[in-house]
Amino acid sequence: AQSVSQHNHHVILSEAASLELGCNYSYGGTVNLFWYVQYPGQHLQLLLKYFSGDPLVKGIKGFEAEFIKSKFSFNLRKPSVQWSDTAEYFCAVNAPSGNTPLVFGKGTRLSVIA
Amino acid sequence: GAGVSQSPSNKVTEKGKDVELRCDPISGHTALYWYRQSLGQGLEFLIYFQGNSAPDKSGLPSDRFSAERTGGSVSTLTIQRTQQEDSAVYLCASSLTSDRAFAFFGQGTRLTVV
Repeated sequence: AQSVSQHNHHVILSEAASLELGCNYSYGGTVNLFWYVQYPGQHLQLLLKYFSGDPLVKGIKGFEAEFIKSKFSFNLRKPSVQWSDTAEYFCAVNAPSGNTPLVFGKGTRLSVIA
Repeated sequence: GAGVSQSPSNKVTEKGKDVELRCDPISGHTALYWYRQSLGQGLEFLIYFQGNSAPDKSGLPSDRFSAERTGGSVSTLTIQRTQQEDSAVYLCASSLTSDRAFAFFGQGTRLTVV
């Protein structure tokens, strides 16, 4: 069965600092990888996704993530965070066959202070 | 509808009562997921419906939990004899069936068992 680990539970950064949130997954086959974001009081929305091809994927709002197959990792990055990036971030994985559910990590809460 | 719709948005119930939570997925989406979100626990997978296949119920925490999906569209999550530990936000998501699909989430139902 798939599993996802997000090692940072709560990250506090000042505005303009760089961000990297870790995500490691456990699954032996081909995977689809996702980052979702949940802003305060809002529903979960897709930030970016990896299906195949270029392992560096770019998402909305300046976020990007790099798939490193050898490390089973899909870390999320942003060079300069803004106060509006304060949210909870979830990494998720499933298999491309569509026969497996989407499995999430426990999430990382990001607080950006002015 | 334009998005995934869940009802009610909030539900307060007495311990021991049964509750039903409803999810209207995006039209045409054949895959439907239920998750439970508790503080510090991330998104806990509950059940996954994929087209006409038998649902993946591997995430249901006890036999008090069940879910149905009628006509391949609307889904109902039922919790019987609710307990205080059932208090959480219950999230529904839907997606197309393809190896490059991603899930759209509803706003969730906040369940409080008193």
